Amino acid sequence: NAGVTQTPKFQVLKTGQSMTLQCAQDMNHNSMYWYRQDPGMGLRLIYYSASEGTTDKGEVPNGYNVSRLNKREFSLRLESAAPSQTSVYFCASSVVWDSSHEQYFGPGTRLTVT
Amino acid sequence: DQQVKQNSPSLSVQEGRISILNCDYTNSMFDYFLWYKKYPAEGPTFLISISSIKDKNEDGRFTVFLNKSAKHLSLHIVPSQPGDSAVYFCAASQRTGTASKLTFGTGTRLQVTL
Repeated sequence: NAGVTQTPKFQVLKTGQSMTLQCAQDMNHNSMYWYRQDPGMGLRLIYYSASEGTTDKGEVPNGYNVSRLNKREFSLRLESAAPSQTSVYFCASSVVWDSSHEQYFGPGTRLTVT
Repeated sequence: DQQVKQNSPSLSVQEGRISILNCDYTNSMFDYFLWYKKYPAEGPTFLISISSIKDKNEDGRFTVFLNKSAKHLSLHIVPSQPGDSAVYFCAASQRTGTASKLTFGTGTRLQVTL
């Protein structure tokens, strides 16, 4: 059981380039999330998708777009990368009514923008 | 404005002793609190959670205490083991429709020494 998978694991971009981070889950979860983690900080929510066909902004959405492609997949796009977007990006998923509010996280994508 | 704070960046504890990690929050609308453990180059993994209507939840060596009037929670690990060495994140959850938005603290690095 793979859980939450993310590709790529590492990426280096030049300022102004675009890229898409991919996330997939095989747990039949309804909700999916994208977070970023910067040094010395906690994870911050970028966007989330409560269910297939819906997406909403989180705490730090500027500079990003998302697509909930189907129930399994949720992608994060950087249209014009900036050095401030250098970070580790985590995707997560959760069931609708999990009593613990637990989210399951992927291994992360480490992105460097030069 | 940090809504979830972990004021101790690091903690060192001897093997077999108790580890106590603390977390404070400011938003009374949080309805669940979670603790995650994170190893380097991996995604966070869920440890334990507590509903805002409870004051204690226990799971094996891990116990979480919630003091709602003080807006404070703590994670107790007894006995501490070397494998517990990791970064621990406190997170607070707000239900939004069928999803849960997590707000993370900045983490506490726990080192368990022999």
